[in-house]
Amino acid sequence: EDQVTQSPEALRLQEGESSSLNCSYTVSGLRGLFWYRQDPGKGPEFLFTLYSAGEEKEKERLKATLTKKESFLHITAPKPEDSATYLCAVRSYNTDKLIFGTGTRLQVFP
Amino acid sequence: NAGVTQTPKFQVLKTGQSMTLQCAQDMNHEYMSWYRQDPGMGLRLIHYSVGAGITDQGEVPNGYNVSRSTTEDFPLRLLSAAPSQTSVYFCASSYSQGKETQYFGPGTRLLVL
Repeated sequence: EDQVTQSPEALRLQEGESSSLNCSYTVSGLRGLFWYRQDPGKGPEFLFTLYSAGEEKEKERLKATLTKKESFLHITAPKPEDSATYLCAVRSYNTDKLIFGTGTRLQVFP
Repeated sequence: NAGVTQTPKFQVLKTGQSMTLQCAQDMNHEYMSWYRQDPGMGLRLIHYSVGAGITDQGEVPNGYNVSRSTTEDFPLRLLSAAPSQTSVYFCASSYSQGKETQYFGPGTRLLVL
């Protein structure tokens, strides 16, 4: 069964304190791994798609990486506006449906 | 482009009432889907459509109906609301079901009393 586990559930950082969010997955043939950002009361906002192990994508202070078992979302020198819940999702060749993790709630304090 | 739009933003229902959640997209996307989001659980797929006239069930379809008469619209119907359907509902769309990124609407918050 396809599964996605995100850790930690919540993360509190001081502004400028870099860290990483983890997304571990088990799928029968990875078709794509997706990162979304979700602000309170809003829909998920697309950040990155990764397709194969070794792939990396960057956007401003965020960098997503992918291995055969997990993905990391690295946040470099975060700012308070980076505070949000970050969701990871995978799509497998088996089901071809998006399976979401429960998210990591990030709070960045000035 | 407005992207994916959803109405209403918030709704309160009594047990047994029916209602339709509206979803529309103006990006000419073939694939549309409905998810529900509950505390402590990931987004879960309710129903999806790969094109006009074609719908299929997701992970949690019971108590919900959908239809897709046009490419743009994908309404979700609650036939007889139950308290267990209290949730936040998101509609999403993409060009196709495959590798394509799904884009989400702003959500409808539903409270069933």
